[in-house]
Amino acid sequence: AQSVTQPDIHITVSEGASLELRCNYSYGATPYLFWYVQSPGQGLQLLLKYFSGDTLVQGIKGFEAEFKRSQSSFNLRKPSVHWSDAAEYFCALGSGGGNKLTFGTGTQLKVEL
Amino acid sequence: NAGVTQTPKFQVLKTGQSMTLQCAQDMNHNSMYWYRQDPGMGLRLIYYSASEGTTDKGEVPNGYNVSRLNKREFSLRLESAAPSQTSVYFCASSPLGVTSTGELFFGEGSRLTVL
Repeated sequence: AQSVTQPDIHITVSEGASLELRCNYSYGATPYLFWYVQSPGQGLQLLLKYFSGDTLVQGIKGFEAEFKRSQSSFNLRKPSVHWSDAAEYFCALGSGGGNKLTFGTGTQLKVEL
Repeated sequence: NAGVTQTPKFQVLKTGQSMTLQCAQDMNHNSMYWYRQDPGMGLRLIYYSASEGTTDKGEVPNGYNVSRLNKREFSLRLESAAPSQTSVYFCASSPLGVTSTGELFFGEGSRLTVL
């Protein structure tokens, strides 16, 4: 069975500091991987996705993520966090042949000014 | 630019009552989904419809029914609500399915409380 693990429930960073949110997955084949962001009271918005090819993918709002097959990881990074980045972040896994995503439990990001 | 619209946004039910959550998308998407979001559990798929005329169970379908009324609309029904169904419900749509395009477009959510 496929699964997604986000080890950090809460993370606090200072504005301007770098950010890395962790995501590990379990899946027997090549995964489709995604990061979504949820602002308070809103639905989720896609930040970036990995299907194949270059293992470093760029997304919106200055985010990037790196796929590491050997570590079964897809960590999200941003060089300099802005106060508006405070939100909940979800990693998700899509299986080939399926038509649905499996989400992690989310990481709540707090940004200190 | 409506996107995915869910109604109602808030609802309080008593145990045993029934209700239907409505969802409509105006992006001509083929696939539609219902998720529930609970603290510490992320989003879990209840039902999805890969295309008009088809529906399939997701991870947590018990206690729910769905109807893909047409290409635009996908409703979620609770026949006899239970406190365990207290949650935030999200409808989402996708042009060709998540493993084709990778993107789900979400509504703003419906917060349901069952007393």
